[in-house]
Amino acid sequence: AQSVTQLGSHVSVSEGALVLLRCNYSSSVPPYLFWYVQYPNQGLQLLLKYTSAATLVKGINGFEAEFKKSETSFHLTKPSAHMSDAAEYFCAVRAQGAQKLVFGQGTRLTINP
Amino acid sequence: EAGVAQSPRYKIIEKRQSVAFWCNPISGHATLYWYQQILGQGPKLLIQFQNNGVVDDSQLPKDRFSAERLKGVDSTLKIQPAKLEDSAVYLCASSARGTSGGWGETQYFGPGTRLLVL
Repeated sequence: AQSVTQLGSHVSVSEGALVLLRCNYSSSVPPYLFWYVQYPNQGLQLLLKYTSAATLVKGINGFEAEFKKSETSFHLTKPSAHMSDAAEYFCAVRAQGAQKLVFGQGTRLTINP
Repeated sequence: EAGVAQSPRYKIIEKRQSVAFWCNPISGHATLYWYQQILGQGPKLLIQFQNNGVVDDSQLPKDRFSAERLKGVDSTLKIQPAKLEDSAVYLCASSARGTSGGWGETQYFGPGTRLLVL
């Protein structure tokens, strides 16, 4: 079975500070990993995904994530937070051979001026 | 390219009533998904269609929920009768080829329908 744990349901950073959103996964087979962002009253939008190519993945809006197999992690980072980054972020995993995309509980990111 | 369309955007009903949601996926996308997102949680897959066939409905409460995708394009999700715990956002998503497109294929989400059951 596959699962995702997002550490911290709520993260608050100052504008211009580093953003770090944590995601750990569990999968018995090689996983495909995704980060989605959800703005208020909107659907989910793909930020980036890991599909077994480069372990450091760059996405939209200056976000990136690094796949670390030894730590079973796929943390999302952005060097400098912007007010427009305030949203809910979801990590998701899909194991090879699995039909289903499994989402974590989400992390709400707040940016302080 | 138009995105995934959903209607209505908001719906308020009383328990034991019925409700239906509609989804039109991105043109040409073979696979359509319905997710339930309860407040404070991540989306949970209810049902997945590949063209007009069901691929996975293991988490669909079949005693009250039903879904169809008759012509392999748009889809309807119905709840009858609704319960208080059905209050959630119902998200529709689509992908171009589903599992034949590879496990890393991107799913594109619509804006969702927010359901409140009183």
